[in-house]
Amino acid sequence: QVQLVQSGAEVKKPGASVKVSCKASGYTFTSFSIHWVRQAPGQRLEWMGWINTGNGDTKYSQKFQGRVTITRDTSASTAYMELSSLRSEDTAIFYCARDFGFGSFDPWGQGTLVTVSS
Amino acid sequence: QSALTQPRSVSGSPGQSVTISCTGTSSDVGAYNYVSWYQQHPGKAPKLMIYDVIKRPSGVPDRFSGSKSGNTASLTISGLQAEDEADYYCCSYAGSYTLVFGGGTKLTVV
Repeated sequence: QVQLVQSGAEVKKPGASVKVSCKASGYTFTSFSIHWVRQAPGQRLEWMGWINTGNGDTKYSQKFQGRVTITRDTSASTAYMELSSLRSEDTAIFYCARDFGFGSFDPWGQGTLVTVSS
Repeated sequence: QSALTQPRSVSGSPGQSVTISCTGTSSDVGAYNYVSWYQQHPGKAPKLMIYDVIKRPSGVPDRFSGSKSGNTASLTISGLQAEDEADYYCCSYAGSYTLVFGGGTKLTVV
């Protein structure tokens, strides 16, 4: 079955960077884009950006532009999201999700909790 | 890109119908038929319920339906069941390969 499995929880200090992985299985990785979504505790979902896993093209939300980098390794069927200059407000669960149709997401990864604390 | 506007909460009794609205602008919801809806239970990842405004993925009950009028999209849940109690988020394509979510709506089944 189609599945996205994300890397484990991280604890980072303010100013550091974090890189979260998202390993896909059950389908041809390069046929579907991957999106990244952030959800702070008790807060709404925020779209961060996406990557065309076929050609590597990316598009980022203006809110995260300059701090986020999304990449992929086609040989490993894995997408990555790196967020830099972390601050306490970045404490959140980060989800990857496969593009289902134009601008919809299914399935989702299980989420990765990133805690930013000094 | 501002978040789409959803009511903070809605409620209904088992068997009743509820509708959750999602208001955007003529640059997102009003401009494209690419609105999707997600159900999120506490501590769980979101689940796709509706895509392309009105389409249901395989496995989603037909009690869930979507619609759109102008800059407002809506999710209607008929025959409410206890397991429908969750947070619901809308999402719209906003042009230039960007997407925007709504603020989320907490559905309580009383």
